[in-house]
Amino acid sequence: EAQVTQNPRYLITVTGKKLTVTCSQNMNHEYMSWYRQDPGLGLRQIYYSMNVEVTDKGDVPEGYKVSRKEKRNFPLILESPSPNQTSLYFCASSRPETGYGHEQYFGPGTRLTVT
Amino acid sequence: GDSVTQMEGPVTLSEEAFLTINCTYTATGYPSLFWYVQYPGEGLQLLLKATKADDKGSNKGFEATYRKETTSFHLEKGSVQVSDSAVYFCARSSNTGKLIFGQGTTLQVKP
Repeated sequence: EAQVTQNPRYLITVTGKKLTVTCSQNMNHEYMSWYRQDPGLGLRQIYYSMNVEVTDKGDVPEGYKVSRKEKRNFPLILESPSPNQTSLYFCASSRPETGYGHEQYFGPGTRLTVT
Repeated sequence: GDSVTQMEGPVTLSEEAFLTINCTYTATGYPSLFWYVQYPGEGLQLLLKATKADDKGSNKGFEATYRKETTSFHLEKGSVQVSDSAVYFCARSSNTGKLIFGQGTTLQVKP
């Protein structure tokens, strides 16, 4: 089954304790991305990757890191989490289409609470 | 900059009522337009899309038409069901590959 998986689905942590949220896709997609969802703000992009070893900042990258060592995996790293990073996080992937197609497939989400 | 604006919710309807959720976008270039749906506790699923002007996307009884002249992509359904209760997001593509989302509209359908 074609899918994007994320782990963990739920995480409660404390300020400053480094954490990693994993993301994996089995569709051989070049493009992967992380979004955060906050009430009233919709989804905002954190980082994206066009392909292996190619990453770039999205709209809200502060406090986050990513890496893309393999095509299928795109982990999100919070080196020193803070309470304002409490949010619902989604990983997404797509195969770039001609023009601006970019239909994206989303993972189930990771609900992060930082106390 | 590029943006998408959706009507504010929540929208509460009775079963079998007609649904419209308005969506407008800023028109730089020729983006593809999408509606995603998020059911409670789940991730986002693509509901429908349109890639050029006057295209109509449709799925599960929902429709939306890409209107370049009004930069709109309103979502409609003729007869909603309780199972349609969810959060609906309008989105446009961009030249970096990211999707630009509206703030989401919560739909609640009552029996």
